[in-house]
Amino acid sequence: RKEVEQDPGPFNVPEGATVAFNCTYSNSASQSFFWYRQDCRKEPKLLMSVYSSGNEDGRFTAQLNRASQYISLLIRDSKLSDSATYLCVVDTGRRALTFGSGTRLQVQP
Amino acid sequence: NAGVTQTPKFRVLKTGQSMTLLCAQDMNHEYMYWYRQDPGMGLRLIHYSVGEGTTAKGEVPDGYNVSRLKKQNFLLGLESAAPSQTSVYFCASSYAFGQRGADTQYFGPGTRLTVL
Repeated sequence: RKEVEQDPGPFNVPEGATVAFNCTYSNSASQSFFWYRQDCRKEPKLLMSVYSSGNEDGRFTAQLNRASQYISLLIRDSKLSDSATYLCVVDTGRRALTFGSGTRLQVQP
Repeated sequence: NAGVTQTPKFRVLKTGQSMTLLCAQDMNHEYMYWYRQDPGMGLRLIHYSVGEGTTAKGEVPDGYNVSRLKKQNFLLGLESAAPSQTSVYFCASSYAFGQRGADTQYFGPGTRLTVL
């Protein structure tokens, strides 16, 4: 089983739609959780950190469910500029991070 | 501030050749990391460093060596390149690990390496 699993997508949604991604992780000892965004042929950049049961940043909401070991990302009112790959990232418990393979989002006009 | 820079941006090697990738950061970060990213796969950690003079193995360390002689630089070496090492290599740095607000990893633009 992979340490971090994501649905690869692609998710094709119209502008203004709400879209949600899920991610599951296998290490119950993980303490730090993140969502990174990666544009095509670019480096990953931090979108949000998820430290508690959930947090919100504008149109983006991240939720953490420790009991079921999954993290979600909700994007409201999707913009064309949200088109990217979203990486779920979890700490391994050994001062390192494990990255999921990513979920690709394509927002269409 | 330049953030995290990587050189070179592109490189083509023949099997058996050696090369060194350089990562530099100007944010005074303690932690530095080398990842590789292959199509359809997430980033995989090759080696990392928790401070000047220290290095540790990540998930896929075989065929690579690293050095952190200066806090701002982290070098990744391929002693004898193989086609399986064709990949995009990303360097990253962070101020800390596991500390809220201080553990964001900042990435360099990547090095695209092809081994023929």
